[in-house]
Amino acid sequence: AQSVTQPDIHITVSEGASLELRCNYSYGATPYLFWYVQSPGQGLQLLLKYFSGDTLVQGIKGFEAEFKRSQSSFNLRKPSVHWSDAAEYFCAVGAPRGGGYNKLIFGAGTRLAVHP
Amino acid sequence: EAQVTQNPRYLITVTGKKLTVTCSQNMNHEYMSWYRQDPGLGLRQIYYSMNVEVTDKGDVPEGYKVSRKEKRNFPLILESPSPNQTSLYFCASSREFGQERTGELFFGEGSRLTVL
Repeated sequence: AQSVTQPDIHITVSEGASLELRCNYSYGATPYLFWYVQSPGQGLQLLLKYFSGDTLVQGIKGFEAEFKRSQSSFNLRKPSVHWSDAAEYFCAVGAPRGGGYNKLIFGAGTRLAVHP
Repeated sequence: EAQVTQNPRYLITVTGKKLTVTCSQNMNHEYMSWYRQDPGLGLRQIYYSMNVEVTDKGDVPEGYKVSRKEKRNFPLILESPSPNQTSLYFCASSREFGQERTGELFFGEGSRLTVL
């Protein structure tokens, strides 16, 4: 069965520091991978997605993620964190059914705190 | 403005009192889905619908019902709520979910339900 692991429940960084959030997935074929962000009291917003092609994908708000098949990872990075990046971040994998997929499987989330 | 609208946003109810959480999207999306979010578990799919009159169970469907009589609406029904259904619920929609070049889920802002 497909699964997603986000090893870090909480991460705290200083404003201006770099950030890397880890995501590992378990899936037998080429996965569809996503990162979503949830700000307090809000729904989830898509940051970026990987379907195929270039393994380094760029997203909104200055985020990027790199797909590494050998490590089954899809880590999210940002070179310089802003206070407004404080939120909860979810990694998700698309579970294919036939030619596509019918749901996303989410990790447990990583809560990011940003110190001034 | 493109959006997914859920109501109510907050609800406190008692065990056994039937309730409905409405979900409406204005993007003409065929795919809609309900998730629940619980601490440490991420988001888990309850039900989904690929199109009007087509619904199917997700990973945690027990205690819930859905219907899809119109493309824009996908209500979640709790016939006899129990305390273990206390959770944060999200409705999501997508255009042609399952096709390789799409698959972005648009989320509502969430409905926080407490069952006493």
